Amino acid sequence: DQQVKQNSPSLSVQEGRISILNCDYTNSMFDYFLWYKKYPAEGPTFLISISSIKDKNEDGRFTVFLNKSAKHLSLHIVPSQPGDSAVYFCAASARTASKLTFGTGTRLQVTL
Amino acid sequence: NAGVMQNPRHLVRRRGQEARLRCSPMKGHSHVYWYRQLPEEGLKFMVYLQKENIIDESGMPKERFSAEFPKEGPSILRIQQVVRGDSAAYFCASSRFGTSDSNQPQHFGDGTRLSIL
Repeated sequence: DQQVKQNSPSLSVQEGRISILNCDYTNSMFDYFLWYKKYPAEGPTFLISISSIKDKNEDGRFTVFLNKSAKHLSLHIVPSQPGDSAVYFCAASARTASKLTFGTGTRLQVTL
Repeated sequence: NAGVMQNPRHLVRRRGQEARLRCSPMKGHSHVYWYRQLPEEGLKFMVYLQKENIIDESGMPKERFSAEFPKEGPSILRIQQVVRGDSAAYFCASSRFGTSDSNQPQHFGDGTRLSIL
């Protein structure tokens, strides 16, 4: 059972425009959500996170939005840069366990 | 200011051999997590350890796999009698406190790519 879903395997965006990556979850026990970026042959790099008591968190070009009623979160990158081209993973953890549950990733390509 | 260090980066084993993967957490971190990534999939949790203790091993296969995090030295993920299906990237992550207690992110190493011939 896929508790964290990223339904778009890939996304292409022009440089300077906004990238929006989406993530849905099914487990109502999840209360902490994270986004990671991953380049080939490297480990995931932490980008930004959000606790379930908030609905938005912003860090520079990255903003994460959380809609608890819809069990949906999204990552906005603006403006997108070529160096943002990577696979983005959404992850979640529950208040009862420290393990992270990951989505299958979305490959973002930022074109010139 | 080193991050999470994993070695080896690549490991090749023949079926039936043993594989040992090592992970040194970030300085000041005492919580270690192991994840496995199969091709074209997301990372799957295997085990969570704190110094000398296994906290959660709900993602570990029941046979052939074991993990430890001794008082001194790195955390070790051990796979005995490897099979072709064990071929994957194995990632280690660490955090200062448990994620469920602190809402702090886990920081990952660059992984060990295990190939079984």
